[in-house]
Amino acid sequence: AQKVTQAQTEISVVEKEDVTLDCVYETRDTTYYLFWYKQPPSGELVFLIRRNSFDEQNEISGRYSWNFQKSTSSFNFTITASQVVDSAVYFCALSEPNFGNEKLTFGTGTRLTIIP
Amino acid sequence: DAGVIQSPRHEVTEMGQEVTLRCKPISGHDYLFWYRQTMMRGLELLIYFNNNVPIDDSGMPEDRFSAKMPNASFSTLKIQPSEPRDSAVYFCASTPSGLGTDTQYFGPGTRLTVL
Repeated sequence: AQKVTQAQTEISVVEKEDVTLDCVYETRDTTYYLFWYKQPPSGELVFLIRRNSFDEQNEISGRYSWNFQKSTSSFNFTITASQVVDSAVYFCALSEPNFGNEKLTFGTGTRLTIIP
Repeated sequence: DAGVIQSPRHEVTEMGQEVTLRCKPISGHDYLFWYRQTMMRGLELLIYFNNNVPIDDSGMPEDRFSAKMPNASFSTLKIQPSEPRDSAVYFCASTPSGLGTDTQYFGPGTRLTVL
């Protein structure tokens, strides 16, 4: 069965510090997709990144970067030089569409608080 | 382009009442999803449709919940009768095709409170 674990329930860092959010997944398939979503205090879910299982290249987008390691089944998210606007709950998610199921399985989320 | 539209944004009702949540997916998207978010259970998929046809409703908690998609631009999630434990944020999401090629785009959610 699919499973996504975000062991860090809450993290607080001082503004401008770097912070890494961990995501560990379990899957029975060789083809799968990993996602990160951000949920700010306003409540909407904002898509951040989608990564397929065949692409292990790390990705950087501004202050955000993602480290995908199949060997450890991890897809970690790093925010560099954090800002107050980064305060949100961040969700990691997994899908296995090759099984004909478009379901996204979400982790329990990590609440990130950036202290000014 | 307009994103996924949900209405109402907030709903307060009394136990036993019927509640209908509405969703308009992004135009051209073939898949539509209904999720529920609670503190206890996190984000969980209730049901999803492909081309207006329900594909997986295994997440629907019980018979009090029903979902329909009469056309490509509209879906409803109905709870009858509602109970306090149904209080949650209900999200609708859509995607152009399967997750193999794209992601799910979420609406703003409907915050439901059942008294």
